[in-house]
Amino acid sequence: GQNIDQPTEMTATEGAIVQINCTYQTSGFNGLFWYQQHAGEAPTFLSYNVLDGLEEKGRFSSFLSRSKGYSYLLLKELQMKDSASYLCAVRDSNYQLIWGAGTKLIIKP
Amino acid sequence: DAMVIQNPRYQVTQFGKPVTLSCSQTLNHNVMYWYQQKSSQAPKLLFHYYDKDFNNEADTPDNFQSRRPNTSFCFLDIRSPGLGDAAMYLCATSSSRGTGANVLTFGAGSRLTVL
Repeated sequence: GQNIDQPTEMTATEGAIVQINCTYQTSGFNGLFWYQQHAGEAPTFLSYNVLDGLEEKGRFSSFLSRSKGYSYLLLKELQMKDSASYLCAVRDSNYQLIWGAGTKLIIKP
Repeated sequence: DAMVIQNPRYQVTQFGKPVTLSCSQTLNHNVMYWYQQKSSQAPKLLFHYYDKDFNNEADTPDNFQSRRPNTSFCFLDIRSPGLGDAAMYLCATSSSRGTGANVLTFGAGSRLTVL
């Protein structure tokens, strides 16, 4: 079967850096997405990786290793508003999106 | 701003009483999706439209139906809601045309409560 694994919950301090990991086993690979979802709201797109390496976008970066079936989302200079769930999703060989259950990130002052 | 709009944001219904949720988009995207998301779980795809072609996920209950009368609008009908259908229902759109990642754009969601 197809599977996306992410930690259920993480806690970090305002101003610090946090890395959220995602491992996947899917039927083929056509890109990996990270979405941010605040409680009770819809997911919003953060980043997309299809080739190995690091994609940087402001305070957020996303890394992909296709050979390891692994990605991480790196958040720098954490702010209280970054408290949210972070969803990892992989597009498989049939172009279907396989979603992880999300990592709830709690930011403490 | 181009966007995806869902109505209502909050819907309370009684067990077995039909419900219709709506989604409209101004992005001119050709693909529209309905997802069900329960607390702390991954979004679960119910169905999607690729242009006019309707695609039903194999495990979507018959209780759930959908209509897409035109490119801009899509409806989710829950014919006889049960307690297990209480969830957030997310509409999303994407464009399969041109280059790019086919990123999904979500509406704000419709939260369904079943009494």
